[in-house]
Amino acid sequence: AQSVAQPEDQVNVAEGNPLTVKCTYSVSGNPYLFWYVQYPNRGLQFLLKYITGDNLVKGSYGFEAEFNKSQTSFHLKKPSALVSDSALYFCAVRGSGTYKYIFGTGTRLKVLA
Amino acid sequence: KAGVTQTPRYLIKTRGQQVTLSCSPISGHRSVSWYQQTPGQGLQFLFEYFSETQRNKGNFPGRFSGRQFSNSRSEMNVSTLELGDSALYLCASSFSGGEETQYFGPGTRLLVL
Repeated sequence: AQSVAQPEDQVNVAEGNPLTVKCTYSVSGNPYLFWYVQYPNRGLQFLLKYITGDNLVKGSYGFEAEFNKSQTSFHLKKPSALVSDSALYFCAVRGSGTYKYIFGTGTRLKVLA
Repeated sequence: KAGVTQTPRYLIKTRGQQVTLSCSPISGHRSVSWYQQTPGQGLQFLFEYFSETQRNKGNFPGRFSGRQFSNSRSEMNVSTLELGDSALYLCASSFSGGEETQYFGPGTRLLVL
C-alpha cells in the first residue's frame, strides 16, 4: 500500500536561514512525488515534482527537493527562508499503475522575522 | 487559462440533508480528483474520474458519490450528512491523471450542523 509520512507537524526557522521539510514514502514500483503548499483559506498550490531523472528537482519560489531512493525520502529545501514562506506544506506520492494520490498530513512551516 | 473552479465556496447544511458540490477543471484537463481535508485527517482521497469513468476510489462510505460529465466537469454528492462530514472539499484536475501535475481548486467549505 502507498503511504507518505511527514514526521514534523511544525517546523520553525529564522528568516534567512535554510529550511528543510521532511517527507518519506512507501510505494510499490516507481514513485511520482509532489510537493504542494497551502496558504490560509486557499487550495493547494503546486511547488515541484519528481517523476524520473535528476534526483535534485527545482521548483517554484526557490524551493527544491532531493529524491533519495535508498532512504525513500523526498525532503523539501530552500537555501534562505522568507517570512512569506510560512504556510502548510504537503508531500504527496502516486505509485505507477494507480491514479490515486496519497498525501502526507502536512507540515506547518513558520518563518520567524 | 482559467484555473479549477469550485462552487459553492461555502455551504451550511444540517444532519441528514444531502449536498452536491461542483468542480470545473482547467480547460483540456480530463482527469478530476476529489479530496476531503480536515484538521485531524489531513487530505483524504475520495475518488478520481477520467472520461466520465471512475478509475479509483478512496475508503469512504457509499454516502459519498461522484460523477463526471462529457465536458469533464464533475460533481460529488454526499447523502445523509453527518457532523463528521464538515470539511474542506478540494477538487484537482490534470490532463490524464498520469505523472503530470494536479492543479487544485480553492475548495468548498462544508459545515454540517
